[in-house]
Amino acid sequence: DADVTQTPRNRITKTGKRIMLECSQTKGHDRMYWYRQDPGLGLRLIYYSFDVKDINKGEISDGYSVSRQAQAKFSLSLESAIPNQTALYFCATSDPRDSTYEQYFGPGTRLTVT
Amino acid sequence: AQSVTQLGSHVSVSEGALVLLRCNYSSSVPPYLFWYVQYPNQGLQLLLKYTSAATLVKGINGFEAEFKKSETSFHLTKPSAHMSDAAEYFCAVIPNTDKLIFGTGTRLQVFP
Repeated sequence: DADVTQTPRNRITKTGKRIMLECSQTKGHDRMYWYRQDPGLGLRLIYYSFDVKDINKGEISDGYSVSRQAQAKFSLSLESAIPNQTALYFCATSDPRDSTYEQYFGPGTRLTVT
Repeated sequence: AQSVTQLGSHVSVSEGALVLLRCNYSSSVPPYLFWYVQYPNQGLQLLLKYTSAATLVKGINGFEAEFKKSETSFHLTKPSAHMSDAAEYFCAVIPNTDKLIFGTGTRLQVFP
């Protein structure tokens, strides 16, 4: 079984709808991250969480919110989806005890906002 | 601000040819550097990472990268391309925090 899972894998939604993307991990890592990938822009950090009580904005947090329900779960919400939020979204985890800061990625969620 | 530059958004090589994907970083302190690969319709997989233990880093699938501080570079190479190497490759850096900064990616095409 995959260590970092994301649901759904694909989602099409309409402008103005609220949508939640979920991430779960079995790696036991404290740190979790949400990125979005756009062609030609690489991956950009949306939000990150160092533990259940610690949530921080990333580079492009406007229009998004997150919830860290447990060490293993980190959800990303789009309160009112807009077409330019169409992208590939990745969740990642890391272990603060790993001095190399390596991150482990989920398979991604492809979101289309029409 | 710290950044990563990947020269060439698309690289095409023939099967069996040398693969060279370029990455330059800006950092005032020695960073941690990573190369990730994304195969079509898949997530990101770590190819290799530089953590200051050795300047020449060997990764999976025959790839390697050399950290050159004087050139602030961490180019990815493979002596002989295979069709299965076709993918998008991302260079990433962690300067002095634990937030990854990604380059914009290089799409590698391999022709028979």
